[in-house]
Amino acid sequence: DAMVIQNPRYQVTQFGKPVTLSCSQTLNHNVMYWYQQKSSQAPKLLFHYYDKDFNNEADTPDNFQSRRPNTSFCFLDIRSPGLGDAAMYLCATRKIMGGTGMSTGELFFGEGSRLTVL
Amino acid sequence: GEDVEQSLFLSVREGDSSVINCTYTDSSSTYLYWYKQEPGAGLQLLTYIFSNMDMKQDQRLTVLLNKKDKHLSLRIADTQTGDSAIYFCADGYSTLTFGKGTMLLVSP
Repeated sequence: DAMVIQNPRYQVTQFGKPVTLSCSQTLNHNVMYWYQQKSSQAPKLLFHYYDKDFNNEADTPDNFQSRRPNTSFCFLDIRSPGLGDAAMYLCATRKIMGGTGMSTGELFFGEGSRLTVL
Repeated sequence: GEDVEQSLFLSVREGDSSVINCTYTDSSSTYLYWYKQEPGAGLQLLTYIFSNMDMKQDQRLTVLLNKKDKHLSLRIADTQTGDSAIYFCADGYSTLTFGKGTMLLVSP
């Protein structure tokens, strides 16, 4: 059974029309990540939540926002998508032990949401 | 973030061994990882190695780590057509930095 589920798998939007992508997990992991992956490029970290603490990467555009209402769900909001935002968006989860900050290591990825901007 | 470099393409014949190489820069990484991505799908963890190890073997997969040179390699023995995919190495501690990926093409 899928442990990290992303919806929708495919999203088509118009230039400037807001989009929300969702991610849910059944692993009870405390860290959730959003990566952007463009064709033939490395996945690029946009931001992550460590529990409720939001951590934004310095070069993530303001156009990208995220919400994590509870442990299981995390959303990626793109306020005004441009043509350059067309990409695969990957959600991943991880368990990091408190105190030591040690991790079990593995990131669990969803299948991704492919965004097309017309 | 730190840079992770990989060769972009590798072509092998079915049954041969494949070796995918990676160099990384983040010496604080506790683990280093290899992920596999098939077309249109998310990333799937293949294997990882703890940073104080030199080698890890897992069935057809062998990971070699040279910490001095910050070099990581993934060897796939008896490569099959189903191994055709993009392979990413990744390093990091609380967040991971991925390389651009090596596309492995296995021909019959």
